[in-house]
Amino acid sequence: AQRVTQPEKLLSVFKGAPVELKCNYSYSGSPELFWYVQYSRQRLQLLLRHISRESIKGFTADLNKGETSFHLKKPFAQEEDSAMYYCALNSGFQKLVFGTGTRLLVSP
Amino acid sequence: DTEVTQTPKHLVMGMTNKKSLKCEQHMGHRAMYWYKQKAKKPPELMFVYSYEKLSINESVPSRFSPECPNSSLLNLHLHALQPEDSALYLCASSRRAREEETQYFGPGTRLLVL
Repeated sequence: AQRVTQPEKLLSVFKGAPVELKCNYSYSGSPELFWYVQYSRQRLQLLLRHISRESIKGFTADLNKGETSFHLKKPFAQEEDSAMYYCALNSGFQKLVFGTGTRLLVSP
Repeated sequence: DTEVTQTPKHLVMGMTNKKSLKCEQHMGHRAMYWYKQKAKKPPELMFVYSYEKLSINESVPSRFSPECPNSSLLNLHLHALQPEDSALYLCASSRRAREEETQYFGPGTRLLVL
């Protein structure tokens, strides 16, 4: 069965510190992985997807098939990065499976 | 128009009421989705429509009845709901119902069942 694990419910860092939000997945095939972000009082929106290999708002994520991970990283956190972050896997059955989410809190 | 819109924003209904949620997109997407999100939980898929046909029903109770009248519109008809059905209902769309496609989410309808 497809599963996405985000082990941290809350990650609290100071502004300017590096950030890594962990995501591990369980899937036997080749997964399509996404990071979605939900800022306060805003809709869920795509942050980045592994297939496009982009850097959005300074965030990057690398798919590591050996470790079945897709961790989200940013070298210098900003206060406006405070939000709920969901890692998601699309397994090919038109189903997007979300992890439980990590709330990132960036303090000044 | 590059957004998914949902109406109403909020809905309060009794257990004997019948109501409908509406979702609309004008991006030419041919896949549309309903998700349910309980407080402090991730979204959970309910239904998938592909080319206006229901392709996935995640064992959702029949008191939830989806409808896709055309490629731009998705409805969720509600009848005889239970208090535990109170949640944020999210609609999403994607170009096609394929794994590599990005899903675009609406703002949601917050439903309270009394």
